[in-house]
Amino acid sequence: SQKIEQNSEALNIQEGKTATLTCNYTNYSPAYLQWYRQDPGRGPVFLLLIRENEKEKRKERLKVTFDTTLKQSLFHITASQPADSATYLCAHGSGGGADGLTFGKGTHLIIQP
Amino acid sequence: EADIYQTPRYLVIGTGKKITLECSQTMGHDKMYWYQQDPGMELHLIHYSYGVNSTEKGDLSSESTVSRIRTEHFPLTLESARPSHTSQYLCASSELDSRYEQYFGPGTRLTVT
Repeated sequence: SQKIEQNSEALNIQEGKTATLTCNYTNYSPAYLQWYRQDPGRGPVFLLLIRENEKEKRKERLKVTFDTTLKQSLFHITASQPADSATYLCAHGSGGGADGLTFGKGTHLIIQP
Repeated sequence: EADIYQTPRYLVIGTGKKITLECSQTMGHDKMYWYQQDPGMELHLIHYSYGVNSTEKGDLSSESTVSRIRTEHFPLTLESARPSHTSQYLCASSELDSRYEQYFGPGTRLTVT
């Protein structure tokens, strides 16, 4: 079955540094990947979408890459701030005829002042 | 903030009760989704809809049912709540399909005692 793997352990980064989060997928070749931010007790908020024919996508301090050979997407936050602390989710289309997204467990990012 | 609303935000209810979780969006989106999320775990798609009078089951089997009588409204019903239904339920909508960003509501935290 399709599977998305994210390092669910907390990632501690010092303020001002670049945070890099990893998303690996198996048993599937998604045409795109999406990244969301989720704060405690809230619904996810869409950040970026990258398609398989795009190597890199940027939005302000955010950058996403998509390596179809490694079956991996990297999500970068440059000049990180304490307000960036949250759980970041990777997702792709469910496929198999079902609409909707398949999500990873997410990586909890903590930016320390 | 996305224009998608869920009520109630929190619900504590006894076993055997019938409950309806409300979800409404004012963006005119045809596609709507329900996800279930346990603490620290990934979101799982349980229902989706392509539009009025369309409902489909998602990847995760659920005893809940949904209806779509109006474009803006996508309620979820549990006929007889059980402790195993305790979870967070998140509603989402999308302008087109899962290849595009989804807008999530704040979620309903359900506890069945």
